[in-house]
Amino acid sequence: RKEVEQDPGPFNVPEGATVAFNCTYSNSASQSFFWYRQDCRKEPKLLMSVYSSGNEDGRFTAQLNRASQYISLLIRDSKLSDSATYLCVVKTNTGNQFYFGTGTSLTVIP
Amino acid sequence: DTEVTQTPKHLVMGMTNKKSLKCEQHMGHRAMYWYKQKAKKPPELMFVYSYEKLSINESVPSRFSPECPNSSLLNLHLHALQPEDSALYLCASSQDLAYEQYFGPGTRLTVT
Repeated sequence: RKEVEQDPGPFNVPEGATVAFNCTYSNSASQSFFWYRQDCRKEPKLLMSVYSSGNEDGRFTAQLNRASQYISLLIRDSKLSDSATYLCVVKTNTGNQFYFGTGTSLTVIP
Repeated sequence: DTEVTQTPKHLVMGMTNKKSLKCEQHMGHRAMYWYKQKAKKPPELMFVYSYEKLSINESVPSRFSPECPNSSLLNLHLHALQPEDSALYLCASSQDLAYEQYFGPGTRLTVT
């Protein structure tokens, strides 16, 4: 079983829509969680860390559900510039390993 | 400043060449990483350095040889690569192993 599973999409949504991505992880000892965005032929850029209590940054909201072992990213009022691949990353307690999901492709359509 | 720099941006090399990729950060981060990324795939971890010591080597072939000369620099020495090694090579750093990673722009490597 993969450490991190993510729906690859693609998600095609109109401007202004709300879209949510989920990511599940298999290791209950996972301790840190992150969302990155990656534009085509560019490096991944940190979007936000995910805290136990949930956190919000403008139009972006990240949540963690430890009981069900998933993290989510909600994007409100989608902009064309949100089009990218969104990668969830999970860090385990043991081995200091970062595990990447396969990425979810988002295209925001005018 | 959350900048990680990598040189060169692009590299084309033959299978008999020896070349090196360089990565630098001046954020005082003590962990540095090499990843390999193929098109439409997530980054794959290759090596992790923590406090200038190799912490993780993900069973990478010996034709890839990492080096950490000091806390700001990370090199990846390449020798006798195969065409399937063509990929985007990403360097990242983090304050410590537990913290979020910041990626450099990558070196796009083509092996002919």
